[in-house]
Amino acid sequence: DTGVSQDPRHKITKRGQNVTFRCDPISEHNRLYWYRQTLGQGPEFLTYFQNEAQLEKSRLLSDRFSAERPKGSFSTLEIQRTEQGDSAMYLCASTSNLGVSGGYTFGSGTRLTVV
Amino acid sequence: AQSVTQPDIHITVSEGASLELRCNYSYGATPYLFWYVQSPGQGLQLLLKYFSGDTLVQGIKGFEAEFKRSQSSFNLRKPSVHWSDAAEYFCAVGNTGTASKLTFGTGTRLQVTL
Repeated sequence: DTGVSQDPRHKITKRGQNVTFRCDPISEHNRLYWYRQTLGQGPEFLTYFQNEAQLEKSRLLSDRFSAERPKGSFSTLEIQRTEQGDSAMYLCASTSNLGVSGGYTFGSGTRLTVV
Repeated sequence: AQSVTQPDIHITVSEGASLELRCNYSYGATPYLFWYVQSPGQGLQLLLKYFSGDTLVQGIKGFEAEFKRSQSSFNLRKPSVHWSDAAEYFCAVGNTGTASKLTFGTGTRLQVTL
Protein backbone atom coordinates (compact mmCIF):
# COMPACT_ATOMS: atom_id res chain seq x y z
CA ASP A 1 0.00 0.00 0.00
CA THR A 2 1.43 3.36 -1.01
CA GLY A 3 -0.54 5.52 1.39
CA VAL A 4 -3.23 8.05 0.58
CA SER A 5 -3.31 9.10 -3.08
CA GLN A 6 -4.84 12.27 -4.43
CA ASP A 7 -5.45 13.21 -8.02
CA PRO A 8 -4.76 15.59 -9.62
CA ARG A 9 -1.84 17.20 -7.81
CA HIS A 10 -2.56 20.56 -9.37
CA LYS A 11 -5.64 22.04 -11.02
CA ILE A 12 -6.01 25.44 -12.62
CA THR A 13 -9.53 26.38 -13.58
CA LYS A 14 -11.45 29.42 -14.66
CA ARG A 15 -13.93 30.98 -12.31
CA GLY A 16 -17.35 29.46 -12.73
CA GLN A 17 -16.12 26.06 -13.87
CA ASN A 18 -16.73 22.83 -11.98
CA VAL A 19 -13.85 20.73 -10.67
CA THR A 20 -13.63 17.27 -9.15
CA PHE A 21 -10.85 15.81 -7.05
CA ARG A 22 -10.27 12.20 -6.15
CA CYS A 23 -8.84 10.59 -3.04
CA ASP A 24 -7.84 6.95 -2.63
CA PRO A 25 -7.32 6.17 1.06
CA ILE A 26 -5.29 3.40 2.59
CA SER A 27 -7.26 0.30 1.72
CA GLU A 28 -8.00 -0.94 5.22
CA HIS A 29 -8.97 2.51 6.52
CA ASN A 30 -12.71 3.02 6.81
CA ARG A 31 -12.59 6.69 7.82
CA LEU A 32 -11.86 9.38 5.26
CA TYR A 33 -11.54 13.13 5.76
CA TRP A 34 -11.29 16.19 3.55
CA TYR A 35 -9.48 19.30 4.75
CA ARG A 36 -8.81 22.63 3.06
CA GLN A 37 -5.64 24.62 3.56
CA THR A 38 -5.32 28.21 2.39
CA LEU A 39 -2.03 30.03 2.14
CA GLY A 40 -0.47 30.72 5.51
CA GLN A 41 -3.06 28.74 7.43
CA GLY A 42 -3.38 25.32 8.92
CA PRO A 43 -5.74 22.77 7.40
CA GLU A 44 -9.43 23.16 8.21
CA PHE A 45 -11.88 20.30 8.44
CA LEU A 46 -14.42 20.04 5.63
CA THR A 47 -16.12 16.67 5.89
CA TYR A 48 -15.82 13.11 7.15
CA PHE A 49 -16.93 9.69 5.94
CA GLN A 50 -17.17 6.44 7.78
CA ASN A 51 -17.31 3.84 5.07
CA GLU A 52 -19.78 5.27 2.53
CA ALA A 53 -21.71 7.42 5.01
CA GLN A 54 -20.96 11.13 5.19
CA LEU A 55 -21.34 11.74 8.89
CA GLU A 56 -20.27 15.32 9.36
CA LYS A 57 -19.87 18.44 7.28
CA SER A 58 -18.29 21.73 8.23
CA ARG A 59 -19.97 25.10 7.75
CA LEU A 60 -17.08 25.73 5.35
CA LEU A 61 -18.67 23.24 2.97
CA SER A 62 -21.07 25.50 1.11
CA ASP A 63 -23.79 24.15 -1.15
CA ARG A 64 -21.37 24.42 -4.07
CA PHE A 65 -19.30 21.66 -2.53
CA SER A 66 -20.28 18.01 -2.57
CA ALA A 67 -18.35 14.95 -1.48
CA GLU A 68 -19.08 11.31 -2.07
CA ARG A 69 -17.64 7.98 -1.16
CA PRO A 70 -19.94 5.64 -3.06
CA LYS A 71 -18.48 2.26 -2.19
CA GLY A 72 -16.66 3.13 0.96
CA SER A 73 -13.34 3.16 -0.87
CA PHE A 74 -12.25 6.21 -2.90
CA SER A 75 -13.87 9.59 -2.44
CA THR A 76 -14.52 12.56 -4.70
CA LEU A 77 -14.86 16.22 -3.82
CA GLU A 78 -16.65 18.38 -6.37
CA ILE A 79 -16.78 22.14 -6.39
CA GLN A 80 -19.38 23.71 -8.64
CA ARG A 81 -19.19 27.24 -10.02
CA THR A 82 -15.72 27.79 -8.61
CA GLU A 83 -14.82 31.16 -7.10
CA GLN A 84 -11.40 32.70 -6.55
CA GLY A 85 -11.85 32.14 -2.83
CA ASP A 86 -11.87 28.39 -3.46
CA SER A 87 -8.17 28.54 -4.36
CA ALA A 88 -6.49 26.34 -1.77
CA MET A 89 -4.81 23.02 -1.12
CA TYR A 90 -7.39 20.27 -0.63
CA LEU A 91 -6.07 17.50 1.57
CA CYS A 92 -7.48 14.05 2.05
CA ALA A 93 -6.69 11.86 5.04
CA SER A 94 -7.70 8.44 6.21
CA THR A 95 -7.61 6.54 9.43
CA SER A 96 -8.78 3.24 10.81
CA ASN A 97 -11.79 2.74 13.02
CA LEU A 98 -9.61 3.81 15.94
CA GLY A 99 -10.22 7.34 14.76
CA VAL A 100 -7.87 10.07 15.88
CA SER A 101 -6.03 7.74 18.24
CA GLY A 102 -5.02 5.62 15.29
CA GLY A 103 -3.43 8.58 13.62
CA TYR A 104 -4.27 10.26 10.35
CA THR A 105 -2.42 9.56 7.12
CA PHE A 106 -2.58 12.51 4.76
CA GLY A 107 -2.26 12.55 1.02
CA SER A 108 -0.07 15.04 -0.81
CA GLY A 109 -3.06 17.21 -1.62
CA THR A 110 -4.60 18.81 -4.68
CA ARG A 111 -3.69 22.43 -5.18
CA LEU A 112 -6.54 24.33 -6.81
CA THR A 113 -6.01 27.70 -8.45
CA VAL A 114 -9.08 29.56 -9.68
CA VAL A 115 -8.28 32.30 -12.18
CA ALA B 1 -14.57 24.63 21.04
CA GLN B 2 -11.06 23.36 20.69
CA SER B 3 -8.33 25.62 19.38
CA VAL B 4 -4.58 25.68 18.87
CA THR B 5 -2.22 28.64 18.99
CA GLN B 6 1.24 28.63 17.50
CA PRO B 7 2.61 32.03 18.48
CA ASP B 8 5.67 31.95 16.24
CA ILE B 9 4.93 32.40 12.56
CA HIS B 10 8.54 32.11 11.45
CA ILE B 11 11.69 30.87 13.21
CA THR B 12 15.25 30.82 11.92
CA VAL B 13 17.92 28.64 13.52
CA SER B 14 21.44 27.69 12.57
CA GLU B 15 22.16 24.12 11.61
CA GLY B 16 23.24 22.20 14.71
CA ALA B 17 21.43 24.52 17.08
CA SER B 18 18.57 23.40 19.27
CA LEU B 19 14.96 24.08 18.39
CA GLU B 20 11.75 24.62 20.30
CA LEU B 21 8.44 25.33 18.59
CA ARG B 22 5.62 26.50 20.81
CA CYS B 23 2.06 25.22 20.83
CA ASN B 24 -0.78 26.09 23.18
CA TYR B 25 -4.15 24.38 23.00
CA SER B 26 -7.62 24.83 24.34
CA TYR B 27 -9.70 21.73 24.92
CA GLY B 28 -12.17 20.76 27.60
CA ALA B 29 -10.94 17.26 28.30
CA THR B 30 -7.67 15.41 28.02
CA PRO B 31 -6.56 16.24 24.51
CA TYR B 32 -5.11 14.17 21.76
CA LEU B 33 -2.16 16.26 20.55
CA PHE B 34 -0.14 15.99 17.38
CA TRP B 35 2.73 17.60 15.55
CA TYR B 36 2.86 17.42 11.77
CA VAL B 37 5.48 18.62 9.31
CA GLN B 38 4.76 19.87 5.81
CA SER B 39 7.35 20.44 3.10
CA PRO B 40 6.45 22.92 0.33
CA GLY B 41 3.68 21.61 -1.90
CA GLN B 42 3.39 18.40 0.07
CA GLY B 43 0.93 16.81 2.44
CA LEU B 44 1.37 16.45 6.17
CA GLN B 45 3.63 13.94 7.84
CA LEU B 46 3.04 12.92 11.43
CA LEU B 47 6.03 13.61 13.68
CA LEU B 48 4.57 12.48 16.99
CA LYS B 49 1.40 12.23 19.02
CA TYR B 50 0.31 12.31 22.66
CA PHE B 51 -2.75 10.61 24.07
CA SER B 52 -1.92 9.74 27.65
CA GLY B 53 0.83 8.44 29.89
CA ASP B 54 4.38 9.73 29.77
CA THR B 55 4.23 13.45 29.06
CA LEU B 56 7.46 13.40 27.07
CA VAL B 57 6.89 11.74 23.72
CA GLN B 58 9.45 10.77 21.16
CA GLY B 59 8.81 11.05 17.46
CA ILE B 60 10.50 10.53 14.15
CA LYS B 61 13.53 12.43 12.87
CA GLY B 62 14.83 13.04 16.40
CA PHE B 63 11.90 15.23 17.49
CA GLU B 64 10.27 15.14 20.91
CA ALA B 65 7.44 17.02 22.56
CA GLU B 66 6.39 17.58 26.14
CA PHE B 67 2.78 17.81 27.27
CA LYS B 68 2.28 20.27 30.12
CA ARG B 69 -1.32 20.27 31.29
CA SER B 70 -0.82 23.20 33.68
CA GLN B 71 0.37 25.38 30.82
CA SER B 72 -1.90 23.88 28.13
CA SER B 73 1.21 23.47 26.04
CA PHE B 74 2.72 20.84 23.80
CA ASN B 75 6.04 22.27 22.60
CA LEU B 76 8.14 20.51 20.00
CA ARG B 77 11.89 20.22 20.49
CA LYS B 78 14.94 18.95 18.69
CA PRO B 79 18.43 19.10 20.20
CA SER B 80 20.29 19.61 16.92
CA VAL B 81 18.59 20.86 13.78
CA HIS B 82 19.57 19.66 10.31
CA TRP B 83 19.15 21.70 7.13
CA SER B 84 16.58 19.16 5.94
CA ASP B 85 14.31 20.10 8.85
CA ALA B 86 13.38 23.35 7.10
CA ALA B 87 9.61 23.10 6.61
CA GLU B 88 6.29 24.20 8.07
CA TYR B 89 5.30 22.65 11.38
CA PHE B 90 1.71 22.31 12.55
CA CYS B 91 0.42 21.50 15.99
CA ALA B 92 -3.04 19.94 16.15
CA VAL B 93 -5.56 18.83 18.74
CA GLY B 94 -7.95 15.98 18.06
CA ASN B 95 -11.33 15.54 19.62
CA THR B 96 -12.62 12.28 20.95
CA GLY B 97 -16.04 12.68 19.41
CA THR B 98 -17.47 10.60 16.62
CA ALA B 99 -15.70 12.43 13.82
CA SER B 100 -12.28 12.56 15.47
CA LYS B 101 -11.58 15.87 13.78
CA LEU B 102 -8.24 17.61 13.99
CA THR B 103 -7.99 21.33 14.69
CA PHE B 104 -4.71 22.79 13.50
CA GLY B 105 -2.73 25.83 14.46
CA THR B 106 -1.61 28.29 11.82
CA GLY B 107 1.82 26.76 11.62
CA THR B 108 5.42 27.80 12.22
CA ARG B 109 7.77 28.06 9.28
CA LEU B 110 11.26 26.90 10.18
CA GLN B 111 14.23 28.20 8.26
CA VAL B 112 17.65 26.63 8.83
CA THR B 113 20.79 28.57 8.04
CA LEU B 114 24.05 26.80 7.26
